[in-house]
Amino acid sequence: DTEVTQTPKHLVMGMTNKKSLKCEQHMGHRAMYWYKQKAKKPPELMFVYSYEKLSINESVPSRFSPECPNSSLLNLHLHALQPEDSALYLCASSQPDRASPQPQHFGDGTRLSIL
Amino acid sequence: GDSVTQMEGPVTLSEEAFLTINCTYTATGYPSLFWYVQYPGEGLQLLLKATKADDKGSNKGFEATYRKETTSFHLEKGSVQVSDSAVYFCALPRYNTDKLIFGTGTRLQVFP
Repeated sequence: DTEVTQTPKHLVMGMTNKKSLKCEQHMGHRAMYWYKQKAKKPPELMFVYSYEKLSINESVPSRFSPECPNSSLLNLHLHALQPEDSALYLCASSQPDRASPQPQHFGDGTRLSIL
Repeated sequence: GDSVTQMEGPVTLSEEAFLTINCTYTATGYPSLFWYVQYPGEGLQLLLKATKADDKGSNKGFEATYRKETTSFHLEKGSVQVSDSAVYFCALPRYNTDKLIFGTGTRLQVFP
């Protein structure tokens, strides 16, 4: 069982829809991450929140909008996505510590398909 | 810049065979090193880690030793099982950031 919970597990949406991906962790971690993973590739970092503030945006298109309502929750709002955005979206969390980086804990992801 | 290089896959083995998956890195300073495993249909799980030179990380029969001299962190297991079939990623944190740098991943297929 993973300690990072992502919902939904699967999502199919049209290019004009608006939907949200959700992520929750109860490990007391204060850093949370969104990744995009295409088939047979490593995860690509999209966003990092540290202490509920956006600290890294990897030049992600504005059709992806992250939100961190509190230290346990992370959302990714989706609007007007393109077919190439179809992928597995992974959430992760860790304790922020740049001096001694801690492992990230991943959820099982949301598999997103854009029609 | 910081980077991780993994051997190309897939690696195909019979059950009980010996496994080595090579990983080398370039990095600023001496970062922690990680191996993650991704089973089909799942997210990534931390398999093992090492935080300093000569540390040996181990878990579930897998081992990897942090070799500063050769900048390597090769993953080994003495006797693989069908259930070990997965994709394995070597990773390190980019210096003074919250970013993880992943290798390209190595797919392991174990047949009975």
